[in-house]
Amino acid sequence: DQQVKQNSPSLSVQEGRISILNCDYTNSMFDYFLWYKKYPAEGPTFLISISSIKDKNEDGRFTVFLNKSAKHLSLHIVPSQPGDSAVYFCAASAPILNNNDMRFGAGTRLTVKP
Amino acid sequence: SAVISQKPSRDICQRGTSLTIQCQVDSQVTMMFWYRQQPGQSLTLIATANQGSEATYESGFVIDKFPISRPNLTFSTLTVSNMSPEDSSIYLCSVTQGITNYGYTFGSGTRLTVV
Repeated sequence: DQQVKQNSPSLSVQEGRISILNCDYTNSMFDYFLWYKKYPAEGPTFLISISSIKDKNEDGRFTVFLNKSAKHLSLHIVPSQPGDSAVYFCAASAPILNNNDMRFGAGTRLTVKP
Repeated sequence: SAVISQKPSRDICQRGTSLTIQCQVDSQVTMMFWYRQQPGQSLTLIATANQGSEATYESGFVIDKFPISRPNLTFSTLTVSNMSPEDSSIYLCSVTQGITNYGYTFGSGTRLTVV
């Protein structure tokens, strides 16, 4: 039962343009969402998060948008840089339920071309 | 954030054998988890490693196949037992230090190939 879905396995954008990575979830009890970035041969690293009480969280070039009614979130990277090329994982959890584990999407491989 | 040392980084093993993966954290952490990432698939939670008691396994994962130890708040091991080629995957430990899930830290992973 895949509760977090990233339907695009890959995305390619030109340097300087916007990258938009999408994520959908099915469990309405999720109330905390995170994005992780993963380079080859490394573990995922935390990038940005958003609580369900918000619909937007911004950190520099990275912005996460949450649409609770649609059970959808997205990560925007503007402007995209070649160093952003990595696999991006969406994750969701329900800490309000004292449930400290996360569910991950399958990841989207972003390639930013110079 | 915590720094994790995960060993080995990769291994090639014969089917039917077992491999133990170690996860050492540089500080005491509340929660430790083991994940698996099979090719083209999401990070899948195997189990939560509980300090001083049996691990809590997710559906589809059993203790006989993936025994886990957590003797203290900074160390855990995951054993992949009686391996088959289907066990070929990346195995990752992760930790969190708070009661929320903000900022999980992951180890660099163990790439396991079973031949």
